[in-house]
Amino acid sequence: EDQVTQSPEALRLQEGESSSLNCSYTVSGLRGLFWYRQDPGKGPEFLFTLYSAGEEKEKERLKATLTKKESFLHITAPKPEDSATYLCAVQVGGGADGLTFGKGTHLIIQP
Amino acid sequence: KAGVTQTPRYLIKTRGQQVTLSCSPISGHRSVSWYQQTPGQGLQFLFEYFSETQRNKGNFPGRFSGRQFSNSRSEMNVSTLELGDSALYLCASSWTGEGSQPQHFGDGTRLSIL
Repeated sequence: EDQVTQSPEALRLQEGESSSLNCSYTVSGLRGLFWYRQDPGKGPEFLFTLYSAGEEKEKERLKATLTKKESFLHITAPKPEDSATYLCAVQVGGGADGLTFGKGTHLIIQP
Repeated sequence: KAGVTQTPRYLIKTRGQQVTLSCSPISGHRSVSWYQQTPGQGLQFLFEYFSETQRNKGNFPGRFSGRQFSNSRSEMNVSTLELGDSALYLCASSWTGEGSQPQHFGDGTRLSIL
């Protein structure tokens, strides 16, 4: 069975304090790994897609990396507006398969 | 460019009733997927539609059904509602659903069962 595990469940940081969120996965035939950000009362907002081990993507203060077993979302010098729940999801097999999501990391950035 | 639109945003129903939720995808997107989000289980895949055909289905009972229209708009129906159906129902769209195209989500319909 495909599994996606995110850690930590919750993380509280001071503004400017860099850290990393982890997403480990056990799947067969990974087609893509996705990172989303979800704010309270909103749907997930797409951030990145990673396709193969060694790949990296960056956007502002966020950088996502991928290995054969896990992905990291690195947050550099975060600001309070980066507070959100960050979700990791994988797509396996055929293109019509739904995404399998982890439970997310609830990130709070304190001013 | 307009995003994925879901209506209504909130619904309150009682056990045994049925409900229909609506989703309009991003213009040009032809694949629509539905997900259920709960605090305990997180986001779980319900089903995916493309060209009015259901191509894949998650592990949910037959009370959950959907359809897609020729303009790619989609509806989801839940019959004989149970307390455990209380959740945020999210719709996501992508161009064709093939490969690893990112899915773009709406803000969901919050369904509460009394």
